[in-house]
Amino acid sequence: SQTIHQWPATLVQPVGSPLSLECTVEGTSNPNLYWYRQAAGRGLQLLFYSVGIGQISSEVPQNLSASRPQDRQFILSSKKLLLSDSGFYLCAWSATGSSYNSPLHFGNGTRLTVT
Amino acid sequence: KNEVEQSPQNLTAQEGEFITINCSYSVGISALHWLQQHPGGGIVSLFMLSSGKKKHGRLIATINIQEKHSSLHITASHPRDSAVYICAVSYNTDKLIFGTGTRLQVFP
Repeated sequence: SQTIHQWPATLVQPVGSPLSLECTVEGTSNPNLYWYRQAAGRGLQLLFYSVGIGQISSEVPQNLSASRPQDRQFILSSKKLLLSDSGFYLCAWSATGSSYNSPLHFGNGTRLTVT
Repeated sequence: KNEVEQSPQNLTAQEGEFITINCSYSVGISALHWLQQHPGGGIVSLFMLSSGKKKHGRLIATINIQEKHSSLHITASHPRDSAVYICAVSYNTDKLIFGTGTRLQVFP
């Protein structure tokens, strides 16, 4: 069966520090991978998605970046965190192909607080 | 204005009540998703549908393409159903548009 792992679960970082959140998927090949952010009291916002190794699409211009060094690994990074980067970050995957008609499977999320 | 509107925003119910959460969208879609977000933050996909009706246990999801409207029903609600329920739609892209969610609390 397929599983998705996301870590860490919680993170407190000072403004200006770097960030690295990692997500891995097991039990499937060539998944579509997504990073979402949920700010307090707001809906989910798509940050990045990837349909293959090294292929990253960015939805929102910001100081965050994403990389996909391996087929089932998706990393969210920042060189310098801003206070506005605080939020709940979720990694998700869907089956390759028609991703918009495939169920999304979410990780447990990372709650990031930038102080 | 969000392209996906959910109602109500907040909902409280007594255990055993029948619950309905509504979702409306503005243009034609390829699929609609219902998601459940637990208090800890984890999100589970409940349904994905493009027409008709789907049922899983006590949960039922319906969609009316002509009216651009979907409903999520919970029969015989239970305190463990307490969560945020999120509607999301896709328009033939890899991008989902999310509603802001309906917070449901079921009291014993």
